[in-house]
Amino acid sequence: GAGVSQTPSNKVTEKGKYVELRCDPISGHTALYWYRQSLGQGPEFLIYFQGTGAADDSGLPNDRFFAVRPEGSVSTLKIQRTERGDSAVYLCASSLTPWGTGELFFGEGSRLTVL
Amino acid sequence: DQQVKQNSPSLSVQEGRISILNCDYTNSMFDYFLWYKKYPAEGPTFLISISSIKDKNEDGRFTVFLNKSAKHLSLHIVPSQPGDSAVYFCAASEGGETSGSRLTFGEGTQLTVNP
Repeated sequence: GAGVSQTPSNKVTEKGKYVELRCDPISGHTALYWYRQSLGQGPEFLIYFQGTGAADDSGLPNDRFFAVRPEGSVSTLKIQRTERGDSAVYLCASSLTPWGTGELFFGEGSRLTVL
Repeated sequence: DQQVKQNSPSLSVQEGRISILNCDYTNSMFDYFLWYKKYPAEGPTFLISISSIKDKNEDGRFTVFLNKSAKHLSLHIVPSQPGDSAVYFCAASEGGETSGSRLTFGEGTQLTVNP
């Protein structure tokens, strides 16, 4: 596609529920990133994929968070047993190469609200 | 610990004047710095970057200055235009092949350019 596509754009769920957020990166981009932006803060790194493998998942806050990219393209961020503190905008980004310039192309984000 | 800090949450300038946005960092390993711009309900978009081997990079109306000894960078926008009104994020990367393009972001500065 022309840009990074994220679905859903908005998700409201109840505490304790399971949530999946999807990211479709720019075609041909091998590197894919998930960031989380809380209100009044800058984006915070969660996980980075190079191809199908998670090259760096050190930003995932705990084991309730998990992400996959099985075919090296679309990625899904999975959150189990959601908590109110998980409410944030989850941003996906992709880049042509995983190193060097740091220029990432971001999607519009998925806004998660946990009630 | 906030490794990248933008101490001004907001800045207001008149159209045609200079806008100066500031950013400080603490991690000496950062070697690449970027500015991203974000409009409401959109993902951040890359604006300009600078490598630690330089002290200035210019692109049209936008210039980024890096002072390594002070661990400080700034973004100058001249002349400012109403369409520049957005949140500006400073970001930094340690670069290198294994770190990918993991970015550490500041909190952002809301720039408002008044007609």
